[in-house]
Amino acid sequence: QQQVKQSPQSLIVQKGGISIINCAYENTAFDYFPWYQQFPGKGPALLIAIRPDVSEKKEGRFTISFNKSAKQFSLHIMDSQPGDSATYFCAAPDTGRRALTFGSGTRLQVQP
Amino acid sequence: EAGVAQSPRYKIIEKRQSVAFWCNPISGHATLYWYQQILGQGPKLLIQFQNNGVVDDSQLPKDRFSAERLKGVDSTLKIQPAKLEDSAVYLCASSLPGLARGITDTQYFGPGTRLTVL
Repeated sequence: QQQVKQSPQSLIVQKGGISIINCAYENTAFDYFPWYQQFPGKGPALLIAIRPDVSEKKEGRFTISFNKSAKQFSLHIMDSQPGDSATYFCAAPDTGRRALTFGSGTRLQVQP
Repeated sequence: EAGVAQSPRYKIIEKRQSVAFWCNPISGHATLYWYQQILGQGPKLLIQFQNNGVVDDSQLPKDRFSAERLKGVDSTLKIQPAKLEDSAVYLCASSLPGLARGITDTQYFGPGTRLTVL
């Protein structure tokens, strides 16, 4: 079964700074790596996803970088805002079944 | 567009009691998922339905957990009997299968049911 290791567990960033969250996976049947954002009391919501025929995908202030040889991918949040304060989960396709395995989450706090 | 609805939002029970959660997915979404999210962890898939049928239940503790999706719409997840370690948030999600009909479909999550087992 897929293992996804996410770091750091928590992150404090000043407003306007860059937030970086990293994930590593073991194996995957194919390449699809989403990031989900979860606010307290809410379910996770898809933030951005990459299907790596490319090594990077950017949507507004959010960028996914993918390193296939290292089996790692990361989320960069540029110009971090207090409204970005949430828990972020990476995910990777499981091997052998049609399911996503989620990382353990990173709690991001952006200080004003 | 209405999102995924779940009820109840909170539930407190004693161990060995039974409990049931309800989920109403987004209209037209054929795929429905139940996840367990223990505090400080990411969601773990318990069971996945495609319309009425079970696609994956390999992580469902079948000795105590059961789920059904009648008529391919609403779904219920039941725990009987509950254990202390079942304390978690139970999330329901749904997706509209794309051309690939696979895990690249965007999953839309409900707010979850927070279960506390005493």
